[in-house]
Amino acid sequence: GQQLNQSPQSMFIQEGEDVSMNCTSSSIFNTWLWYKQEPGEGPVLLIALYKAGELTSNGRLTAQFGITRKDSFLNISASIPSDVGIYFCAGQRGSEKLVFGKGTKLTVNP
Amino acid sequence: NAGVTQTPKFQVLKTGQSMTLQCAQDMNHEYMSWYRQDPGMGLRLIHYSVGAGITDQGEVPNGYNVSRSTTEDFPLRLLSAAPSQTSVYFCASSYSRTVGISDGYTFGSGTRLTVV
Repeated sequence: GQQLNQSPQSMFIQEGEDVSMNCTSSSIFNTWLWYKQEPGEGPVLLIALYKAGELTSNGRLTAQFGITRKDSFLNISASIPSDVGIYFCAGQRGSEKLVFGKGTKLTVNP
Repeated sequence: NAGVTQTPKFQVLKTGQSMTLQCAQDMNHEYMSWYRQDPGMGLRLIHYSVGAGITDQGEVPNGYNVSRSTTEDFPLRLLSAAPSQTSVYFCASSYSRTVGISDGYTFGSGTRLTVV
């Protein structure tokens, strides 16, 4: 089945640093999503990408839909302690199953 | 709007017991689904429904049953609980299974299940 490789698995950074994470797939996707999950809660949608090459921002978060349609990137600028959580990418081709990455766990040291 | 509501938040079961995890949404979403989340495994799809009266299996359906008698509710039943079903369970809903026309899935806050 389709798989997403999300990296890194975990990150430990200082407050104020920028963060980059990415997802790659062996399959082409039509849509890429980025979710954040805080402890004890369900994933919350951060950014949705619908077109190859698309660059979309949500506050300090910026995500890009890779031009090959097989990857996506999420950047967080000037991290703050409340950015802590697990970030998931998800991709879908047509109406097929939404495939999730295994997550990047972000820890921010004040 | 409450969004997606899951109950209970926590549950401990003995091996062999049965139970139902509840999921309700008030957004008139047609698509509803159940995932389990295990450490290092990400989110895995158990069952899903594209509308009332229609259900289908995901990638890990064994040991679970679902039904969809109304648009709002999508309960997940564990028939005979096993320790391997210890996990965090999430219900998600959307206007459509196709996220490109539905702005992504909305998740509930989860049910943490332990089977001893």
